[in-house]
Amino acid sequence: EVQLVESGGGLIQPGGSLRLSCAASGFTVSSNYMSWVRQAPGKGLEWVSVIYSGGTTYYADSVKGRFTISRDNSKNTLYFQMNSLRAEDTAVYYCARGSVTLDYWGQGTLVTVSS
Amino acid sequence: QSALTQPPSASGSPGQSVTISCTGTSSDVGDYNYVSWYQQHPGKAPKLMIYEVSKRPSGVPDRFSGSKSGNTASLTVSGLQAEDEADYYCSSYAGSNNFGVVFGGGTKLTVL
Repeated sequence: EVQLVESGGGLIQPGGSLRLSCAASGFTVSSNYMSWVRQAPGKGLEWVSVIYSGGTTYYADSVKGRFTISRDNSKNTLYFQMNSLRAEDTAVYYCARGSVTLDYWGQGTLVTVSS
Repeated sequence: QSALTQPPSASGSPGQSVTISCTGTSSDVGDYNYVSWYQQHPGKAPKLMIYEVSKRPSGVPDRFSGSKSGNTASLTVSGLQAEDEADYYCSSYAGSNNFGVVFGGGTKLTVL
């Protein structure tokens, strides 16, 4: 059974850093495209980043230069390093398998950026 | 990249059919057959309901169907049931200028 479990969210001050984790089971992260999607409170979904199976990464303009997607093949885990956090980054962050079709999603982890 | 346009709300009575539209441009919906639809219940993660315009993942009832004409994709839910009440989001691949997907703003489906 495919499962994705995110962790690492929390309350962080503006300008701070946070690393999200997404532990996968039932499939191999490194053999798949993996994405991060976020949802601000009461708002819609926003794609933020993808890592291809070959390791190529892409980011939405809103996070480019501040956030980094990566993976640890030995742990079958996806990561999202978020630096220079802003209030507008406040959202539930979901990891999902795929790039244009997101067929499995984690339960999400809430990141709140506030002083 | 601009978000795709969805109506904020839709509704129907149990047993009826309802169609939700998703309008993009010739650079996304109109140019690629990579339109997906996701269902999201309150407090839950999105669930894939339709992919590549009209394909259903295993386990999704055949009451859910998708189509596309030009720059507009549509999700039709037939035989509405109470559990279909949720938010629905469309998404589309937007080409090599974007590499990810662009989402619609979401439609709240109410079963009357």
